[in-house]
Amino acid sequence: KQEVTQIPAALSVPEGENLVLNCSFTDSAIYNLQWFRQDPGKGLTSLLLIQSSQREQTSGRLNASLDKSSGRSTLYIAASQPGDSATYLCAVRGNQFYFGTGTSLTVIP
Amino acid sequence: GAVVSQHPSRVICKSGTSVKIECRSLDFQATTMFWYRQFPKQSLMLMATSNEGSKATYEQGVEKDKFLINHASLTLSTLTVTSAHPEDSSFYICSASPETGEVSPLHFGNGTRLTVT
Repeated sequence: KQEVTQIPAALSVPEGENLVLNCSFTDSAIYNLQWFRQDPGKGLTSLLLIQSSQREQTSGRLNASLDKSSGRSTLYIAASQPGDSATYLCAVRGNQFYFGTGTSLTVIP
Repeated sequence: GAVVSQHPSRVICKSGTSVKIECRSLDFQATTMFWYRQFPKQSLMLMATSNEGSKATYEQGVEKDKFLINHASLTLSTLTVTSAHPEDSSFYICSASPETGEVSPLHFGNGTRLTVT
């Protein structure tokens, strides 16, 4: 069974810093990987989707990479802002979607 | 585009009653919708896959008679928690995709916080 792990579980950084969130998965036979943001008590907002044939995707200050062979993905956030504070989840799609437990990010003004 | 609406956002009910949660795709048709459950500080757990016009597919360990799913149209799926008990209190989230196929992204509703007293 696919297992998705996110490290660290929690991260606190001062405003303006660049940061990297990590996601690893055990089964490389995936169709795609998706990064989400979840605010407290809310649903998930899709940030970036990387197909299995792609290496990275960029949207604004966000850049996500995918190394399928090693079972890893990173989400890079440039010039972090307090509004980036949220929980970030990665999900891989195999025969179903498998979610990591998330990284709780706090950006301190 | 690709907006998924979930209603209600929050519901409190008494033990033994039933609660219905709606999931709508507002600007696209979805032949398949997914229902998840999330416990505090934990990840999403897939409960079932809802298929338009046919029976839902439930994940192992999910009671189909307790969590009734109906996907009567291409834009609406409902989850009914029957005879709710305090242990059913949780955050329920639905998702759908505007495209079919394994490469399509998921879009989520804002979730429903269920509290059973």
